[in-house]
Amino acid sequence: AQTVTQSQPEMSVQEAETVTLSCTYDTSESNYYLFWYKQPPSRQMILVIRQEAYKQQNATENRFSVNFQKAAKSFSLKISDSQLGDTAMYFCAFMKSLGGGADGLTFGKGTHLIIQP
Amino acid sequence: DSGVTQTPKHLITATGQRVTLRCSPRSGDLSVYWYQQSLDQGLQFLIHYYNGEERAKGNILERFSAQQFPDLHSELNLSSLELGDSALYFCASSLTPRAPYGYTFGSGTRLTVV
Repeated sequence: AQTVTQSQPEMSVQEAETVTLSCTYDTSESNYYLFWYKQPPSRQMILVIRQEAYKQQNATENRFSVNFQKAAKSFSLKISDSQLGDTAMYFCAFMKSLGGGADGLTFGKGTHLIIQP
Repeated sequence: DSGVTQTPKHLITATGQRVTLRCSPRSGDLSVYWYQQSLDQGLQFLIHYYNGEERAKGNILERFSAQQFPDLHSELNLSSLELGDSALYFCASSLTPRAPYGYTFGSGTRLTVV
């Protein structure tokens, strides 16, 4: 079974600063996908960024980027030029590639990110 | 609007009762997943249906059951409810079980058991 660990229950930064959220995972799978989801106060789960384990290049989506270290089983999320609208719970999630994702996503406990004005 | 519709948004019921949560997947999606989000357990995968057939079970209690209908909407049935069943229940959908781009989530149903 897979496990996903987010060691920072809460983080707070000033608007426009850069912040990094940590995520580590444990798996015996060699091929898998990793995701960061955002859950704002509206509680909607929104996909922020994804990474395919067989790709060494780190994924980027505008102000969001990841640092994927496969050997270390680490998948951190960096948010640049943080904005008030980035305030939300952020969840790291794992999906097996083999089996086609039928078993769903394994989530971490989440990090509550607060952007201060 | 994500395209995944969950009803009702809020539900308050008493212990011992039975409720049904409904999910309509995004247009064209054949896979439906149910997740439970609670303060102590976090987000947990419950069950997955693909094109009407059960594909995988996660940490779903025997008191809970689900089905997916020919029109692809899904229902999650929770019976003999306990206080600990109070949680946010999410439905998510994808075109196929292999969803390397992740799932699309609905806005959830908040269940409160009193």
